[in-house]
Amino acid sequence: GQQLNQSPQSMFIQEGEDVSMNCTSSSIFNTWLWYKQDPGEGPVLLIALYKAGELTSNGRLTAQFGITRKDSFLNISASIPSDVGIYFCAGHTGNQFYFGTGTSLTVIP
Amino acid sequence: EAQVTQNPRYLITVTGKKLTVTCSQNMNHEYMSWYRQDPGLGLRQIYYSMNVEVTDKGDVPEGYKVSRKEKRNFPLILESPSPNQTSLYFCASTGGHEQFFGPGTRLTVL
Repeated sequence: GQQLNQSPQSMFIQEGEDVSMNCTSSSIFNTWLWYKQDPGEGPVLLIALYKAGELTSNGRLTAQFGITRKDSFLNISASIPSDVGIYFCAGHTGNQFYFGTGTSLTVIP
Repeated sequence: EAQVTQNPRYLITVTGKKLTVTCSQNMNHEYMSWYRQDPGLGLRQIYYSMNVEVTDKGDVPEGYKVSRKEKRNFPLILESPSPNQTSLYFCASTGGHEQFFGPGTRLTVL
């Protein structure tokens, strides 16, 4: 299967700091997606990106679809305690979705 | 309320004992899928279904079966579970590119 490399694996940051995480692939995707998973729950979609170069924001979250269509990044500005969780990137191509291994975010008040 | 439901939420079973995890969605979505989540590996797609009676293998289909006899339901079947199928399982229903995930089923195979 297709491999999505997501980094960093984990982050420990102070409340108020900005966060950046990224995802790279050896394959091209038609859509990039970013999800957040809270403990004991399923992932929830944060942002969807549909074309190369697209930059999209959702509140304090900003994500970009890389020009090569093989990468994407997610930024979180001014982090707050409820940002804690695991963030996943996902790529969609054909009929399948492929997920990254996740970035575990801890926000220290 | 739009939702995906899975049952059971927790299951402990023994090797070889057939089990079924049910999944149901109320959004009239055509596309549904099953994932397993393991530490350090993220979510991996097991099977997906584009519509009723249409199912396809995902990345890790070995040891699993699915069926899609009606649009709202997409059960996952383990005919002869083995310990390496101990995992957290998620069903998802997709409209456009947005996937709605169920709450998860934590399966332990002894």
